[in-house]
Amino acid sequence: KAGVTQTPRYLIKTRGQQVTLSCSPISGHRSVSWYQQTPGQGLQFLFEYFSETQRNKGNFPGRFSGRQFSNSRSEMNVSTLELGDSALYLCASSLGAGAYEQYFGPGTRLTVT
Amino acid sequence: DAKTTQPNSMESNEEEPVHLPCNHSTISGTDYIHWYRQLPSQGPEYVIHGLTSNVNNRMASLAIAEDRKSSTLILHRATLRDAAVYYCILRPRLGSSNTGKLIFGQGTTLQVKP
Repeated sequence: KAGVTQTPRYLIKTRGQQVTLSCSPISGHRSVSWYQQTPGQGLQFLFEYFSETQRNKGNFPGRFSGRQFSNSRSEMNVSTLELGDSALYLCASSLGAGAYEQYFGPGTRLTVT
Repeated sequence: DAKTTQPNSMESNEEEPVHLPCNHSTISGTDYIHWYRQLPSQGPEYVIHGLTSNVNNRMASLAIAEDRKSSTLILHRATLRDAAVYYCILRPRLGSSNTGKLIFGQGTTLQVKP
């Protein structure tokens, strides 16, 4: 069974631009969560989607948004990029909301210059 | 959200057991204890979880104190491949509004020496 895939793996953007990251969960998984990882803040929860509905949202500004499609694939968007948005963005999928195991993808490394 | 405390780093020799401690003195009665690990240049991976009783799986064992204020992840024979950051995380039981959210601390960086 294929794991969680994230595209692109690496991305370089300039300040003020926007970016869209994509996540394809494991087949059959309906819940997708997003995390941001930086050296200073560690791993921080961004948001969680289940059946196309956002269930939880972390403490991030409104520039960070996401959505989930009917096939469970998810995208996250960051508008008006700032230097501090440079990070590894990780997507995790699980069978259902609150399922015990979350399976993480390899992440998208975003660099903002 | 209840907080966990872990040592910043630990060292182990290859093929020896490793005991990774975690303190969670404010754990609630319905919080599950989860462990994830993150190998270099990879996303985190699930290791094990438990509520009250000790748990074993193919990767590790989880020993939970009787008062549930602490737990220990046990790797029975460390290999070089086990070098990673290990995270101890508390998750509310199923049905809570926060069930999909993992709150990561700084974790314990495990170094395995050959």
